[in-house]
Amino acid sequence: GNSVTQMEGPVTLSEEAFLTINCTYTATGYPSLFWYVQYPGEGLQLLLKATKADDKGSNKGFEATYRKETTSFHLEKGSVQVSDSAVYFCALRITSGTYKYIFGTGTRLKVLA
Amino acid sequence: DSGVTQTPKHLITATGQRVTLRCSPRSGDLSVYWYQQSLDQGLQFLIQYYNGEERAKGNILERFSAQQFPDLHSELNLSSLELGDSALYFCASDPGGNTGELFFGEGSRLTVL
Repeated sequence: GNSVTQMEGPVTLSEEAFLTINCTYTATGYPSLFWYVQYPGEGLQLLLKATKADDKGSNKGFEATYRKETTSFHLEKGSVQVSDSAVYFCALRITSGTYKYIFGTGTRLKVLA
Repeated sequence: DSGVTQTPKHLITATGQRVTLRCSPRSGDLSVYWYQQSLDQGLQFLIQYYNGEERAKGNILERFSAQQFPDLHSELNLSSLELGDSALYFCASDPGGNTGELFFGEGSRLTVL
C-alpha cells in the first residue's frame, strides 16, 4: 500500500545547528511529495513540495530532494532558528480516482537558543 | 490565513453526546478533506468530499459521518462520543491541478469528558 515513514521525534537542536528529518515513502505510480509544518496552535501549512523525481523543493532555508531511487524526501536546513520549532509532516499525494494525501506521523523539532 | 474556516475552535462535551464540526473551504476549492490529529496518532485521514459527493474514506468510525452541502461547506458529525474521540479535527481544501496542495483550517479541538 501507500505509506510515509518519517523519523520519530522529538528532535532537539541548538540554534544554528544543521537539521535533517528523514522521510521515506511507498507508493504506486508517481506521487507528488510535500513537507508541511505545524506551528504551535495552528493548522498545517505547506513548507515545500516536489512533483517529480530529482526535483528539489525549497522554502525559508529548508530543502528536500525527491529521490526516486531511494524513495526518500529528506528535509534539511543548514542553520535552524528558534522560530523553526514546530512539528514537521512529510506527505505524498497520489491520484487514484481522486487526489489522496497520505501523511507521516510528524516529527517535533525543538530549537534551543 | 489559509482561507479555510473551521468552527467551533474549541468544544467540550460529555461521553455519549453528539457534536457537529463545520468547515468552509477556500473560495473556489471543490474538495474538502477531514483529518483527525490525536496526540499519539499523528494525522489520520477521515473522509474526502468533492463538489458534494463523497470521494474517499479513510479511518472513519461508523459513529462519525460527514457531508458537503451545495455551497461547498462541510460538516463532520460525531456521535456517541467516547473519551478517545478527544482530538484536533482539521479540515483542508484542495484547489486541485497538477501541483495542488492542501490548505488547512486551524482545527476544532474536541475534548470529551
